[in-house]
Amino acid sequence: QKEVEQNSGPLSVPEGAIASLNCTYSDRGSQSFFWYRQYSGKSPELIMSIYSNGDKEDGRFTAQLNKASQYVSLLIRDSQPSDSATYLCAVRRGGADGLTFGKGTHLIIQP
Amino acid sequence: NAGVTQTPKFQVLKTGQSMTLQCAQDMNHNSMYWYRQDPGMGLRLIYYSASEGTTDKGEVPNGYNVSRLNKREFSLRLESAAPSQTSVYFCASSVTGSRDEQYFGPGTRLTVT
Repeated sequence: QKEVEQNSGPLSVPEGAIASLNCTYSDRGSQSFFWYRQYSGKSPELIMSIYSNGDKEDGRFTAQLNKASQYVSLLIRDSQPSDSATYLCAVRRGGADGLTFGKGTHLIIQP
Repeated sequence: NAGVTQTPKFQVLKTGQSMTLQCAQDMNHNSMYWYRQDPGMGLRLIYYSASEGTTDKGEVPNGYNVSRLNKREFSLRLESAAPSQTSVYFCASSVTGSRDEQYFGPGTRLTVT
C-alpha cells in the first residue's frame, strides 16, 4: 500500500525565519512529487512540483527530493503570517494516476 | 478562465438519498479526478478519468459511480448516501502525463444524516 507520511504539527516558526517541512513516501516507483498549500475551508493550491533528485527553487520556496532516501522536503524562506496553512505532500507513480497525499503539516507563522 | 468549478458548494442528504456532484474544467485538460477529504484521513482518490471515455477506480470507490460526460465534465454520483460519505469532495484536473500537475476545484461539502 502506498503511503505518504508527514508530521501533523503544528509547526510554529517565527516570522522571517525558515520553515522546513518534511515528507517520506513508501512507493519506490513514485515519479512525481508535489507540495500543496491548503487554507482552512479552502481547496489545495499547488505550490511546487519536483521530479528529479536535488533542489528546485521558486521564489521563497525550495523543494528538495532524495529518491534514494524516499524523502521530499519544502523550505519556506522569510516566512510570513500569510504562510500559515496546512501543507500537503503528494506523490504519483506516473501516467494519469491520481495522487497519494500525506495527511498534511499544520504550519503556524508567529508575528 | 474559471479553472475547475464544482456544484453544489454545500449539500445535506438523508441516508438513502441519491445525488450527483458536478465538476467542469475549462483548461482543456485530458485527465480528471475525484477526491474526498476527511479529518485525520487526508485526501483520498475515489475515481479518475485519464481521458474522455475512460474511468478507473481509485483508493475508495465503493458507494460511488462516475461519468465522464465529455472532455470538460466529470460527475460523481452517490446512489444511496450513507453517513460514512459525509466529507468534502474535491474535483481536480491535469493535462495528462507523468509530469503534469493537478489543479483543484473549490470543493463540495456534503453531510449525510
